[in-house]
Amino acid sequence: KNEVEQSPQNLTAQEGEFITINCSYSVGISALHWLQQHPGGGIVSLFMLSSGKKKHGRLIATINIQEKHSSLHITASHPRDSAVYICAVSDNYGQNFVFGPGTRLSVLP
Amino acid sequence: AAGVIQSPRHLIKEKRETATLKCYPIPRHDTVYWYQQGPGQDPQFLISFYEKMQSDKGSIPDRFSAQQFSDYHSELNMSSLELGDSALYFCASSSPYRLAVPPDEQFFGPGTRLTVL
Repeated sequence: KNEVEQSPQNLTAQEGEFITINCSYSVGISALHWLQQHPGGGIVSLFMLSSGKKKHGRLIATINIQEKHSSLHITASHPRDSAVYICAVSDNYGQNFVFGPGTRLSVLP
Repeated sequence: AAGVIQSPRHLIKEKRETATLKCYPIPRHDTVYWYQQGPGQDPQFLISFYEKMQSDKGSIPDRFSAQQFSDYHSELNMSSLELGDSALYFCASSSPYRLAVPPDEQFFGPGTRLTVL
């Protein structure tokens, strides 16, 4: 069983739709990260969470430590949101970084 | 704001050659992480350095070595390159405990795309 799992693996949405990507993990963590990787390969850190909820613009991330689950929501999705969204966790020592398999999102105009 | 800088951005090498990738962390960041992402694969943690000393080691092959210098930049040295080493190599940096809470938020560089022919 992988330490970090994501669902769905692939997601196609119409512009304007509300999108949810889920992440579950099986190890003890110090923080959970949501990353965005564009087709060119560059990785951008969207959120780092250790509890509760964070919001940046149209992006919202939540985490439930007891259930070892996090969700990334995109409101009013736009074609420029098309990317791979990766959930990653840093272990209890805050050093090792374990990546999930990513969710490939395509938002159609 | 200054970001993590990696050089070169693209590198083409032949099998059995050597390669050196460089990473310049965000100013005042003292921890550097290296990741390898093969085609269609998840990034894999290779190695990290804190204050110029190796702090954690992941799936880094013995053919690879890395170090962090006094100015906190890091170099990943790769020898006897194999076709399977073709990948995107990311560097990330994070800031010291004393400056940031939480300290382990990582900021990624743009990556170096290595192609081994």
